Amino acid sequence: DAGITQSPRHKVTETGTPVTLRCHQTENHRYMYWYRQDPGHGLRLIHYSYGVKDTDKGEVSDGYSVSRSKTEDFLLTLESATSSQTSVYFCAISESGRETEAFFGQGTRLTVV
Amino acid sequence: AQSVTQLDSQVPVFEEAPVELRCNYSSSVSVYLFWYVQYPNQGLQLLLKYLSGSTLVKGINGFEAEFNKSQTSFHLRKPSVHISDTAEYFCAVTNVNDYKLSFGAGTTVTVRA
Repeated sequence: DAGITQSPRHKVTETGTPVTLRCHQTENHRYMYWYRQDPGHGLRLIHYSYGVKDTDKGEVSDGYSVSRSKTEDFLLTLESATSSQTSVYFCAISESGRETEAFFGQGTRLTVV
Repeated sequence: AQSVTQLDSQVPVFEEAPVELRCNYSSSVSVYLFWYVQYPNQGLQLLLKYLSGSTLVKGINGFEAEFNKSQTSFHLRKPSVHISDTAEYFCAVTNVNDYKLSFGAGTTVTVRA
């Protein structure tokens, strides 16, 4: 299995609080992604990174920010959590970002109350 | 920009029957296509991918998919399903110009005895 660890695996937080999710990889892959999974919507891309300090927005980036200060870590921050951000969040890594397989973490279930 | 449409949200099927999951994509440039599977409470794993060459691609667990450029489709098939194939299946696409990996909304396959 690819070395991807998401933390925490489960979190309950209150509306308006900031939340940071962490994705850690041991594969030295250049590309990292954050998705959210919601019923009926599949996986929607939030942000992705194509190198250290190089990030770009996905299709549902409003309310989220990311940082990548080193190859192995990609952080997703909900600046002020809302109930609409209750979801399962997946991190993925890819060696080439295009034609190679993406490997996924086990997911973080976030509930905003 | 690229997008993926999975035409069936749920597919019930009897054990040992064939199954086909339909996927259409849109993109203004050449694409790479993938099918991923997600078993309950797990992350996603790759079933197969199309990069170039032969339009019929074989993957793991007896699955295969056919790339049809004229119809912009990449349908997934299995001639005989097992109970263990019960899962959610996602079609995904990248393209030659960027690093975004975009997913369809998913198809839930339920195999019944």
